[in-house]
Amino acid sequence: DIVLTQSPALAVSLGQRATISCRASQSVSISRYNLMHWYQQKPGQQPKLLIYRASNLASGIPARFSGSGSGTDFTLTINPVQADDIATYYCQQSRESPPWTFGGGTKLELK
Amino acid sequence: EIQLQESGPGLVKPSQSLSLTCSVTGYTITSGYDWSWIRKFPGNKMEWMGYISNSGSTNYNPSLKIRISITRDTSKNQFFLQLNSVTTEDTATYYCARWVEQLGFAYWGQGTLVTVSS
Repeated sequence: DIVLTQSPALAVSLGQRATISCRASQSVSISRYNLMHWYQQKPGQQPKLLIYRASNLASGIPARFSGSGSGTDFTLTINPVQADDIATYYCQQSRESPPWTFGGGTKLELK
Repeated sequence: EIQLQESGPGLVKPSQSLSLTCSVTGYTITSGYDWSWIRKFPGNKMEWMGYISNSGSTNYNPSLKIRISITRDTSKNQFFLQLNSVTTEDTATYYCARWVEQLGFAYWGQGTLVTVSS
């Protein structure tokens, strides 16, 4: 299985930039496609797709969210962070199936 | 608008089977895409369990392969999860979701908490 590693938590101030990383145990890229996706989950809610294929903004997602990366290293950036962004963020790979796998989640907290 | 809704017992005894239903509105499950079950354990770990495709084929997480079955009722636009021989480690919030190739899980149900306890 492809293991995705995320830092458990990140503290950030409102209005600042948040950078959340995800490292894969092997490449999740195929030719020009980077098969990594990002989700936001708030307590009591279902996950919400933010970014697909590493850098593409999902429908309805504000432009302060962006994604980058290729191969094994990926980043979700929120700039500037707003109060509504306090949540847990997950990366998920679809390079290898079965199984698709998720990272352990990064909890974004206020400093 | 596409909506997914999970339903089923919130409490299951160890060694018994867990059975959940995902009801889909706003889209016909035979029209396209893959329909997955995903669970989130206490402590935040998330696990993709498997899917049933629009054609009815299935794909399971190898870690669950001997215990899991995903089926569907196309007349009701529903798909189902059955997980056999559950233990307390199967306690989780279970979600159904629609997978679009290379585009991620764009639609999720609200989730249903299932506790395995005697």
